[in-house]
Amino acid sequence: DAGVIQSPRHEVTEMGQEVTLRCKPISGHNSLFWYRQTMMRGLELLIYFNNNVPIDDSGMPEDRFSAKMPNASFSTLKIQPSEPRDSAVYFCASSLQDRDTQYFGPGTRLTVL
Amino acid sequence: GNSVTQMEGPVTLSEEAFLTINCTYTATGYPSLFWYVQYPGEGLQLLLKATKADDKGSNKGFEATYRKETTSFHLEKGSVQVSDSAVYFCALSRGGSEKLVFGKGMKLTVNP
Repeated sequence: DAGVIQSPRHEVTEMGQEVTLRCKPISGHNSLFWYRQTMMRGLELLIYFNNNVPIDDSGMPEDRFSAKMPNASFSTLKIQPSEPRDSAVYFCASSLQDRDTQYFGPGTRLTVL
Repeated sequence: GNSVTQMEGPVTLSEEAFLTINCTYTATGYPSLFWYVQYPGEGLQLLLKATKADDKGSNKGFEATYRKETTSFHLEKGSVQVSDSAVYFCALSRGGSEKLVFGKGMKLTVNP
């Protein structure tokens, strides 16, 4: 079975540009999570969805960040405008609702110059 | 609120050494407890879990026992290998579709 798929794997952009990260959860999973990992702050939960509905976005750092889940098989995390401090690895994870094991994608390494 | 405290390292061991990574938690109710592992350049993957007190999770020679009385879930392996070099995260969940709460992670390097 295919795992969680993220694209792109690497993104290098300049400050002020819009960045869109994409995630395809495991088929049949109905919970989706976006995380950010940095050396300084470790692993942070940004937002999560159940059945395509955002449940908790308290981890979204500021209004420059937005996430959508238009259907059960696709989610995006957008940063507009991007800043150098957004440089991090962004992970998407999915799980079956009412099951507590999350399955992580390989991550997107974002570098904002 | 819910939180996880774990050894942060980094830790360097020789092959075949014994490994313990301490993890304690604070939570209301009866959370599920997890160890996730992140190999270089990869995402996190579940190593083992336990869902109730006194449960022991095990996988790939690693073990951890859910100790409610000490609110701990320490990870152990009797003989580490070079391939165990990774970052290890302790985590808890209140269950269902609740979010995971992670510790800060501990980097382990195993030398031949």
